[in-house]
This record gives sequence, C-alpha cells and structure tokens, in this order.
Amino acid sequence: DVKVTQSSRYLVKRTGEKVFLECVQDMDHENMFWYRQDPGLGLRLIYFSYDVKMKEKGDIPEGYSVSREKKERFSLILESASTNQTSMYLCASSFSRGQGFGAFFGQGTRLTVV
Amino acid sequence: AQTVTQSQPEMSVQEAETVTLSCTYDTSENNYYLFWYKQPPSRQMILVIRQEAYKQQNATENRFSVNFQKAAKSFSLKISDSQLGDTAMYFCAFMNLNSGYALNFGKGTSLLVTP
Repeated sequence: DVKVTQSSRYLVKRTGEKVFLECVQDMDHENMFWYRQDPGLGLRLIYFSYDVKMKEKGDIPEGYSVSREKKERFSLILESASTNQTSMYLCASSFSRGQGFGAFFGQGTRLTVV
Repeated sequence: AQTVTQSQPEMSVQEAETVTLSCTYDTSENNYYLFWYKQPPSRQMILVIRQEAYKQQNATENRFSVNFQKAAKSFSLKISDSQLGDTAMYFCAFMNLNSGYALNFGKGTSLLVTP
C-alpha cells in the first residue's frame, strides 16, 4: 500500500515563528503536492514538485515555500507564521506515468497559529 | 485554469437509499481525468472512483458509479445502497494531463447518511 506520512497530526505555533511541515512517501512517486483545506473553500494547491529540487507554485503560494532535497520528502515552510495560515494542510504524491490513478494523500496536519 | 463546481454544500440520505452528488467543470482541454475523493470525519482522503475523459463508458466501483457527460462537462457521483460509513466530505477533482499532474478540487459536498 502507498503510504504518505505527514510528520504531525496537530501543531500549534506562535505568530512569527518559522514552521516546517514534513511529508514522506514510500512509493517512489515523482510528484508531490501541498494543499491547504479550509471549510467552504475545498482544497487549494500551494506548491508542487515533479522532481527533486524542482518546485512549482500553485494557486496560493504567498507566505509559503517548499523544499525537496530527496525524492521521498517534500517540506512545506511557513517563513513567518500568521493567524490566517491556521488551516488543515494535506500532502499528496503521485506517479508521473500513472496519472489515471490520481494522487495519494497523507492524514493531514491541522495547524493552529496563535 | 480549470474550475470545478460542486453546487451542493450539504446533502443527507437515509441508509439503503441512493444519492447523487453533482459536479461540473470548465475546461477547453480534451485529455483529462476526473476523480471523486472521499474524506471521512477526521480521516484520510481516499480515492473513490476515476474516469478518463476519452472513455465514454461510465466508471463503476461496487456501489459507486458516475454519470459522465463530456459535452455538458458534468461528472456526478451516484452512491447506491448508502451505508453509515459513507458519511464523509466528497470532493470532485480534475486533472489536465496537458499541464501537469496537479488535481483541481471542487469545494466539496458534505454527505450525511442517517439510520
């Protein structure tokens, strides 16, 4: 079974802190994604990566950055956390050749910025 | 950019009944996939069913089936013999194969199955 693991299920951080959300997948997927999920807004794409050291901006990249130093790991970084970044963050991964299989998701990290 | 619209924020159905969740999308592309994902309360997002745009036959997975109307850009999900475990958020998603592998999601439909 494909496994996408996010390092924390729940996280509470203070305004202005630098926050790292980590995601690891064990199926050698080329593609990895970070989404933000808010009630009434669905899932919005923050950043994605097709390969190691590559990154592409999604629909809402402001206030975020990412790092992909190894194929299996994709980190989301909040440079200076703000209260409007309180949300559920979902990591996902997929094969490039198997697009028809969609993406596999982690369990999510619920981040609260106080 | 492609947009995905789910017009029903909330729905409820009685156990053993059938329910249909609506989804429309907007694209000028011909090469794409459509998906329905399920997110149970406090649990992981999982894929329910997928449809390739070039296939006319509607996809079916056990109690879940879709009605794919390509010309109308409609992709509804039918759940037959609803079970309590079907209670979840359901998201419709679009993937354009000509511009990468990211999924574009609708805002979701919250489905409640009642006894």
